[in-house]
Amino acid sequence: DVKVTQSSRYLVKRTGEKVFLECVQDMDHENMFWYRQDPGLGLRLIYFSYDVKMKEKGDIPEGYSVSREKKERFSLILESASTNQTSMYLCASYGAQETQYFGPGTRLLVL
Amino acid sequence: GQNIDQPTEMTATEGAIVQINCTYQTSGFNGLFWYQQHAGEAPTFLSYNVLDGLEEKGRFSSFLSRSKGYSYLLLKELQMKDSASYLCAVHKDSNYQLIWGAGTKLIIKP
Repeated sequence: DVKVTQSSRYLVKRTGEKVFLECVQDMDHENMFWYRQDPGLGLRLIYFSYDVKMKEKGDIPEGYSVSREKKERFSLILESASTNQTSMYLCASYGAQETQYFGPGTRLLVL
Repeated sequence: GQNIDQPTEMTATEGAIVQINCTYQTSGFNGLFWYQQHAGEAPTFLSYNVLDGLEEKGRFSSFLSRSKGYSYLLLKELQMKDSASYLCAVHKDSNYQLIWGAGTKLIIKP
């Protein structure tokens, strides 16, 4: 079974803090994605990566950066957290059957 | 522009059949996904349609009409555990990005 894990299920941070969200997949997939999900808006793509050290901006990259130093790990960084970044963050890995497999999600609250 | 439309919420009765529609307008099309998402959990894959027609997988079936920009997910013999959001997503082009609908919240009543 494909497994995508995320470092935290719930996280509470203060405005201005630097936040790291980590995602690890165990299926040797080349493509990984970070989304945020907000009620009524669906999934919105923040960044994706199709190879180690490669990254592409998605639809809403402002206020975020990413790091892909190893194939299995894709990190999302909030350089200076703001209250409008309170959201559910989902990591996904793209599989051989053209299916995106999701991690359990991180619910981030920025105070 | 890119647009995917699904009803926001639907209600159905346990044991019945429900059809969740998805219409899309995208600049490219490689295939259409359906995902199920229970509250507070991650989406899980249900189906992927590339060609026109109906694909059946147990109690769930998915239909695609590329010429009409239309898909539906059909759920039969509804169970309480089917209460969830159902997300439609279009695989648009040769990269691996998906365009997501906002999801349909399905409420099952006894």
